[in-house]
Amino acid sequence: DVKVTQSSRYLVKRTGEKVFLECVQDMDHENMFWYRQDPGLGLRLIYFSYDVKMKEKGDIPEGYSVSREKKERFSLILESASTNQTSMYLCASSLYNSGANVLTFGAGSRLTVL
Amino acid sequence: GQNIDQPTEMTATEGAIVQINCTYQTSGFNGLFWYQQHAGEAPTFLSYNVLDGLEEKGRFSSFLSRSKGYSYLLLKELQMKDSASYLCAVMDSNYQLIWGAGTKLIIKP
Repeated sequence: DVKVTQSSRYLVKRTGEKVFLECVQDMDHENMFWYRQDPGLGLRLIYFSYDVKMKEKGDIPEGYSVSREKKERFSLILESASTNQTSMYLCASSLYNSGANVLTFGAGSRLTVL
Repeated sequence: GQNIDQPTEMTATEGAIVQINCTYQTSGFNGLFWYQQHAGEAPTFLSYNVLDGLEEKGRFSSFLSRSKGYSYLLLKELQMKDSASYLCAVMDSNYQLIWGAGTKLIIKP
């Protein structure tokens, strides 16, 4: 069964702390994505990656960075967490770049920044 | 701008039929997706439409009209486990996904 695993389901951090969110997929997918999900809004793309060591900005990259050193792992980094980054973060992966690009999501990481 | 509209919340009765609508305005079109998301869980893929018409998959069907910028998800013989949020997403001309805010479906016995 294909899987996307996010290491932390719930995190509570203080303003200014550095935060790492880890995501691992076991499907040998080329593409990986980080989204944030907030009430009343559609999923918003933060960053994505189509290959190892490759990254592209999504719609809301400010305040975030990413790392993809290995094909199966895509990390989201908040260099200095702020309260407006309190959100649910969803990692996803997919096989294709176009067409029927079905995403497989992780269960999410709920981050609270105090 | 690009926009996906779907109702915020709907309520239906167990055993009944419900239709969740999605209208879109995007820069180009390369397919429309429906995902299901139970509370606290990952979204899971339900359907993909790229051509006009109805795609049936068991109790769930998805319809697309590209000329009207419109899709619906039809759920038949509703079960309590169908209580979830249903997310509509459109792939634009750059193959980027534009997401609706989701429709929370509440099933009552």
